[in-house]
Amino acid sequence: ILMTQSPLSLTVTPGESASISCTSNQSLLHKNGHKYLDWYLQKPGQSPQLLIFLTFSRASGVPDRISGSGSGTDFTLEINEVEAEDVGVYYCMQALQTPRTFGQGTKLHIK
Amino acid sequence: HVKVVESGGDVIQPGGSLRLSCVTSGFNFTNYGMHWVRQAPGRGLEWVAVISYDEKDRKYGDSVKGRFTISRDTSKNAWYLQMNNLTEEDTAVYYCARNTGKNREYFGVGVWGQGTTVVVSS
Repeated sequence: ILMTQSPLSLTVTPGESASISCTSNQSLLHKNGHKYLDWYLQKPGQSPQLLIFLTFSRASGVPDRISGSGSGTDFTLEINEVEAEDVGVYYCMQALQTPRTFGQGTKLHIK
Repeated sequence: HVKVVESGGDVIQPGGSLRLSCVTSGFNFTNYGMHWVRQAPGRGLEWVAVISYDEKDRKYGDSVKGRFTISRDTSKNAWYLQMNNLTEEDTAVYYCARNTGKNREYFGVGVWGQGTTVVVSS
């Protein structure tokens, strides 16, 4: 499954919102009704961390200003009230089938 | 405290072999599936392999299939990635990462190690 993210780079003023898109070339809808799309953030110099799983469920400790949504093939990560700590590269990953595949990554800069 | 720690990264010549280890603590090892994910210098994340919680399923990325083998040793609470016939394209930081959910539950891949660096160079 091919995952395509846009934009690949994003610059946001603190306090404003950011939106990242991720598109898959086939549906990520499982027969159980869940859409198997995750979002990960890799902060500078750190390992990736889980933000969102199954399209819209937040991982433990993720603030509610970060949210995920999507249909079977088009997904969005929204970050409201962007803060300096949000800087890094955001990746979507499909978890429907193996091999798992990541998007190219979207680098978030703060203005 | 839940933790996974990779080791075994090294500088190795093309065609060589290397085994990476991922030692875990703070959780029941046999309840969780585990992945290896790698990141080449300046590049994005690439999924490498997964082993299911019960060891029945082992899957690989296309670029490593037939060369890499994922396994685990329950007695040592450790997962491994045996890498054979290495090429320069395998140069990367290798992360082990554990599923958040137990057994067949899926709640994302929520526990990541700090990574271990493999450099394949002559």
